[in-house]
Order: sequence, then structure tokens, then C-alpha cells
Amino acid sequence: QQPVQSPQAVILREGEDAVINCSSSKALYSVHWYRQKHGEAPVFLMILLKGGEQKGHEKISASFNEKKQQSSLYLTASQLSYSGTYFCGTEGSGGGADGLTFGKGTHLIIQP
Amino acid sequence: ETGVTQSPTHLIKTRGQQVTLRCSSQSGHNTVSWYQQALGQGPQFIFQYYREEENGRGNFPPRFSGLQFPNYSSELNVNALELDDSALYLCASSQGTGRNEKLFFGSGTQLSVL
Repeated sequence: QQPVQSPQAVILREGEDAVINCSSSKALYSVHWYRQKHGEAPVFLMILLKGGEQKGHEKISASFNEKKQQSSLYLTASQLSYSGTYFCGTEGSGGGADGLTFGKGTHLIIQP
Repeated sequence: ETGVTQSPTHLIKTRGQQVTLRCSSQSGHNTVSWYQQALGQGPQFIFQYYREEENGRGNFPPRFSGLQFPNYSSELNVNALELDDSALYLCASSQGTGRNEKLFFGSGTQLSVL
């Protein structure tokens, strides 16, 4: 089952904060976050494991609520370079090499 | 350190033809995964190769097949192309098959089927 991301798109001014949500209907082992700029490869941001772990990467951090099967990505004091499409990719807790199941993405536009 | 490279970058084929896409994994990576990304969608897992064997497969028909070579590079082959096969095909390499592995993606091959 494909995770659901919200919002689908968001437009911010430089310096504003953003939250992107990812919700799954199945039990998750981990959540991965990637950013893809137009015409480029998706770039890894972070992995979160079940256990409610929160991780940070410069001004980008994320949390994972295992009980709710939800993850949120937080972008603080956004920069122009943060523009792109953000994807969450999930791994189920059932085991096996099933790859990541990605959501449809959240388009983030940062304006000066 | 060499990143993931894919070739060709663009390809145009007609329905019914066959296509081969190529991927060179990042230095030190022994696992390659292939994803299909339709316009406006997230990447969808096709399969993964480890030690020259298919290690996992998504919901794709058998006409999607692959190979991995001793140097860990990989090919994706698609037979009997259909219009819906038009998409960006992404290759991703990783250091192993573990479930916490970071994926390093190539820039993809844009396939158009006419």
C-alpha cells in the first residue's frame, strides 16, 4: 500500500518553516525521506526506524510515530535550495527485499 | 568516488520493441535496485539484484527482467514494450541488502514508447 503524503504542494517564502507528512496503512519497519529536484536523481535525506526516533540533518529533521504509522519531515528556516519534490519511502515490518514503497511526493517551492 | 551512472539518458522506442537500460553502481556498492517513476508519481520498485541474483521483486510482469554483472553493474531489459512503460527508470545502488540501506540514485533513463 502506497503511503499518503500531505500536503501535495506548498509554497513558502525563504525563511519560513514547513512540515510534510507521510502516513501508511500498514505496519512499518522504517521510513526513508528523499528529495528530488526537477530532472535530477532523488537524493537521500534520512532514515527513521520504528521506535519514535527523531533525526536531524542541518535544518531538516524528521520524526516517526510507530503506533500511528506516520512520519513527518520538518524544514526549518527554509532556503531556496530546499525547493524540490519530497518523497517518503516506507519499508514494511514483514521482512523480505520488497524495496521501498514511495508516496506520490510533496512539491515544495521556496520563493525569495 | 564515482556515483551511480545510467545510460542512455533518453530513449524512444515503439510499441512491441525491446529495450536495455544500463547502470553502473557507486564504488563499493554491491546491490542494485531498479525503480520506475511515472510522470507525477513516486518511484515504484521493480527488482533488486545482489551477487548477480534477483533478490526481490515488485509487482511487475516477467517481461521486465534484469542482470547484474561481477563488477556489480546492472541491466534492465523490457520486452514487448507497451505505451504505459513510458517513464523515468531509476537505478539505485547500496552497500548491501539490509533494510536500513541508503539508496544512491542515478539520474535515470527517460523512456518514451510511441
